[in-house]
Amino acid sequence: EAQVTQNPRYLITVTGKKLTVTCSQNMNHEYMSWYRQDPGLGLRQIYYSMNVEVTDKGDVPEGYKVSRKEKRNFPLILESPSPNQTSLYFCASSLAGSLYNEQFFGPGTRLTVL
Amino acid sequence: DQQVKQNSPSLSVQEGRISILNCDYTNSMFDYFLWYKKYPAEGPTFLISISSIKDKNEDGRFTVFLNKSAKHLSLHIVPSQPGDSAVYFCAARVQGAQKLVFGQGTRLTINP
Repeated sequence: EAQVTQNPRYLITVTGKKLTVTCSQNMNHEYMSWYRQDPGLGLRQIYYSMNVEVTDKGDVPEGYKVSRKEKRNFPLILESPSPNQTSLYFCASSLAGSLYNEQFFGPGTRLTVL
Repeated sequence: DQQVKQNSPSLSVQEGRISILNCDYTNSMFDYFLWYKKYPAEGPTFLISISSIKDKNEDGRFTVFLNKSAKHLSLHIVPSQPGDSAVYFCAARVQGAQKLVFGQGTRLTINP
């Protein structure tokens, strides 16, 4: 089954404790992206990757890191989480050069930083 | 600066009637517009798209209309069904890029 998976689905942590949210897709997509969803703000892009070893900042990259060492995986790293990073996070992927960039989303990770 | 705006946070419609969700945008460099649907505890799923050179695209019960002069698009659902209750996001693709810019979302509730 074609899908994007994220782990963990739920996470409660404390300020300053490094964490990683994993994202994996099995569709051989070149493009991957991370979003955060906050009330009243919709989905905002954090980072994206056009292919292996190619990453770039989205609209809200502060406090986040990413890496793309393999095509299927795109982990999101919070080196020192803060309460303002409490949010619902989505990973998405798509084929490079797709007509309108239909992105396939993972199920989401709800993060709470205390 | 919100380039894609959905000004109605919520909408309630009776089953069988038409649901109309609206979206406004400010950037003329968008070349495709998409609608995504999101159920609780799931990721958004693609629903329908429209090219900026078209003014209408239809897929079953779903029709998207684009008014370029007004920088406005709308999603019509006819007839509305209980399973249509979800949050709907409007998104726009930046011309020549993979980037999608999303609106804030509208929560649609279909009442029996």
